[in-house]
Amino acid sequence: ELKVEQNPLFLSMQEGKNYTIYCNYSTTSDRLYWYRQDPGKSLESLFVLLSNGAVKQEGRLMASLDTKARLSTLHITAAVHDLSATYFCAVGIDSNSGYALNFGKGTSLLVTP
Amino acid sequence: NAGVTQTPKFQVLKTGQSMTLQCAQDMNHNSMYWYRQDPGMGLRLIYYSASEGTTDKGEVPNGYNVSRLNKREFSLRLESAAPSQTSVYFCASVGRHTDTQYFGPGTRLTVL
Repeated sequence: ELKVEQNPLFLSMQEGKNYTIYCNYSTTSDRLYWYRQDPGKSLESLFVLLSNGAVKQEGRLMASLDTKARLSTLHITAAVHDLSATYFCAVGIDSNSGYALNFGKGTSLLVTP
Repeated sequence: NAGVTQTPKFQVLKTGQSMTLQCAQDMNHNSMYWYRQDPGMGLRLIYYSASEGTTDKGEVPNGYNVSRLNKREFSLRLESAAPSQTSVYFCASVGRHTDTQYFGPGTRLTVL
């Protein structure tokens, strides 16, 4: 059974600080997704990482993938309040019906002044 | 393009009632998915479909049925709703040559 573990599950950080969210998974996969969800809203795609060593950046967020370690990280640089949300990582597993996503439980991020 | 749409947005059912959640996408995507989201559980895959006429079970299929009516539409049916099916349901789709799953706005279902 595939397990996707995120940590921390809850994170309160001050504006201007840096922090990293970790996503570990238990089976071989070369597809790792990061999504953002605001309260009461749907999921917004942030990054799709498709190979070992992949690194993508958008604004204050940077995601990386190490398939050998089965680890992805989401790094937050100089946090601002607008980044407050829940962040999910998801591992893509190929099947006859396409890639099914297995999600972590999410990291609830609160950025405070 | 509307992307992925879901109806209804909210629904309250009594135990034992049935209902169908509708999902449609206008992006010409091949694969479509149904997830449920419960507090502290992340999203869990219920069923998915690679193309019209094909469906596969996900992690939590019990109590649900699906129909891939055509390329655009993928419906989720609860035949006899139970309180344990109280959840937020998301539909998603992805194209053959894209890597991102696009999610609909969700249906918030309460079973009393």
